[in-house]
Amino acid sequence: GQSLEQPSEVTAVEGAIVQINCTYQTSGFYGLSWYQQHDGGAPTFLSYNALDGLEETGRFSSFLSRSDSYGYLLLQELQMKDSASYFCAVRDNTGGFKTIFGAGTRLFVKA
Amino acid sequence: DAGVIQSPRHEVTEMGQEVTLRCKPISGHDYLFWYRQTMMRGLELLIYFNNNVPIDDSGMPEDRFSAKMPNASFSTLKIQPSEPRDSAVYFCASSTLGGAEAFFGQGTRLTVV
Repeated sequence: GQSLEQPSEVTAVEGAIVQINCTYQTSGFYGLSWYQQHDGGAPTFLSYNALDGLEETGRFSSFLSRSDSYGYLLLQELQMKDSASYFCAVRDNTGGFKTIFGAGTRLFVKA
Repeated sequence: DAGVIQSPRHEVTEMGQEVTLRCKPISGHDYLFWYRQTMMRGLELLIYFNNNVPIDDSGMPEDRFSAKMPNASFSTLKIQPSEPRDSAVYFCASSTLGGAEAFFGQGTRLTVV
């Protein structure tokens, strides 16, 4: 089966940098994605890593280490609107391609 | 493209009734996923299809749940009979084979009373 672990909550101040970690276990790892979900909304895609290293998209960056089964999402210059839940998700190719989500990290950005 | 379209957005039904949730994936996407989200269990994958064929339904909680994809542009998730513990937000998502991104619909909030 698959399992993902990420912190349940993180609090940071506006303008700061925050890192949300994710460790995973899966037999058919293909890639690691990150999604953002605001209350009452749908998950929206932020980034994807299939290879080791850092991917940067504006204020958000994502990192993957396949050998450590570990990744993180880095949010810079935090804004109040970044308060949301962030999910890491494993793209697994065991028996076909599917995306399995972690439990999510609730980010609170304070003024 | 209008994105993934789900209907209804909200559904309130009585225990024992049949509930049908509908999804129209993005045109050209060959993967379709049904997820259920609750506070207790998070975002759970119920079933997914590839080219209209169910690939993995191991996440379907019970025989009361069934899903179909009669063509590339339509899928349904049916619960019969519904129970209060089925209350959740049900999301449909679609993607391409090589695509990293799953595109989610706005979800159906189901309340079974």
